[in-house]
Amino acid sequence: SQQGEEDPQALSIQEGENATMNCSYKTSINNLQWYRQNSGRGLVHLILIRSNEREKHSGRLRVTLDTSKKSSSLLITASRAADTASYFCATDAGYSSASKIIFGSGTRLSIRP
Amino acid sequence: EAGVAQSPRYKIIEKRQSVAFWCNPISGHATLYWYQQILGQGPKLLIQFQNNGVVDDSQLPKDRFSAERLKGVDSTLKIQPAKLEDSAVYLCASSLGATRTDTQYFGPGTRLTVL
Repeated sequence: SQQGEEDPQALSIQEGENATMNCSYKTSINNLQWYRQNSGRGLVHLILIRSNEREKHSGRLRVTLDTSKKSSSLLITASRAADTASYFCATDAGYSSASKIIFGSGTRLSIRP
Repeated sequence: EAGVAQSPRYKIIEKRQSVAFWCNPISGHATLYWYQQILGQGPKLLIQFQNNGVVDDSQLPKDRFSAERLKGVDSTLKIQPAKLEDSAVYLCASSLGATRTDTQYFGPGTRLTVL
């Protein structure tokens, strides 16, 4: 079964607006990652946040992690047409030193011109 | 830097036929992953190699799926025989190492349609 579940499943916003996507998971994690997937560039890693971090920024992206609520959010500010894609959270809950990430079902983001 | 290469990009077969996918990871990347992504879902890990050894194949349907990574570089994933439910995009990814913070780089995928 998939560890992370994104919410909403689909989101449509106007260009220039901010987009927020949420991810909830079930078990304790080592880290949580966000990926973007579109037809042009495939699946691309965006950002990784460790379990002992609460917030992380990368350009127009802001990721928060609340381990007490087992949830994370991805905020994209000042959205652009190129941000149209599916966004997946992926949790690493492996017990060994090796990475094992499990992807959620994704949020489909559409940016309207 | 060249990315992860996969071929073919598309494949259409009939059920019970066999099919093979090829992946060439980024040069120097020790870890290679195969994922299956069914339409509308996130990718699901099938198998992970560290050099030419298998690290995790717990979700690989071993009765019909097989994978190898000879010489620790290229890898092939085979399905024999294919079922309708195998229709999906098969993604290959590689990372420099296998630690939790190593970024995975994905190839463009092979879209398989089983009729």
